Amino acid sequence: GENVEQHPSTLSVQEGDSAVIKCTYSDSASNYFPWYKQELGKRPQLIIDIRSNVGEKKDQRIAVTLNKTAKHFSLHITETQPEDSAVYFCAASRSGTASKLTFGTGTRLQVTL
Amino acid sequence: ETGVTQSPTHLIKTRGQQVTLRCSSQSGHNTVSWYQQALGQGPQFIFQYYREEENGRGNFPPRFSGLQFPNYSSELNVNALELDDSALYLCASSLPGHLNTEAFFGQGTRLTVV
Repeated sequence: GENVEQHPSTLSVQEGDSAVIKCTYSDSASNYFPWYKQELGKRPQLIIDIRSNVGEKKDQRIAVTLNKTAKHFSLHITETQPEDSAVYFCAASRSGTASKLTFGTGTRLQVTL
Repeated sequence: ETGVTQSPTHLIKTRGQQVTLRCSSQSGHNTVSWYQQALGQGPQFIFQYYREEENGRGNFPPRFSGLQFPNYSSELNVNALELDDSALYLCASSLPGHLNTEAFFGQGTRLTVV
């Protein structure tokens, strides 16, 4: 089955700096890669996703890049703000949809003032 | 806030007991997936229901079972509870097939097995 590894497990950045979280996946048939943000005690919420026919996607301060050959994808957050502090999860699916997701172990991002 | 609701929010059970968790999907969503999130880990896929049938299962033993009802709500049943079953159980609802562009998660049920 699919295996998703995520690094780093914790990340501390100063407000205004950029943050990068990296994930690798094992199943070359995976074709949908969402990123979720989970604040303490709350549900995971989708922040951005990318499909295998696209190499990069951007939404305001958030961007995701995908390298199918190397089987890795990354989340980039620019101009970080304190409200970006949360746990971020990457995930992968071979169904092309938000279905039967395999998640990474999460990255705890702390944005300090 | 999404329209996915789960009950109960918290639950304490004794090892060996059985538990039923409930999930009401977002309006119009006929696909429900269940995930187990252990402390400090990412969610792990348990199984998915579509049109009242199981439609895919993760690496969980048969004592984890489920149901989906005609109104698309769903139940997760766990028999013979073990201490390692202590976790946050999340359900996610979505549209089927190519329309499944996002899984909307509920707040979860935190199960503690003692």
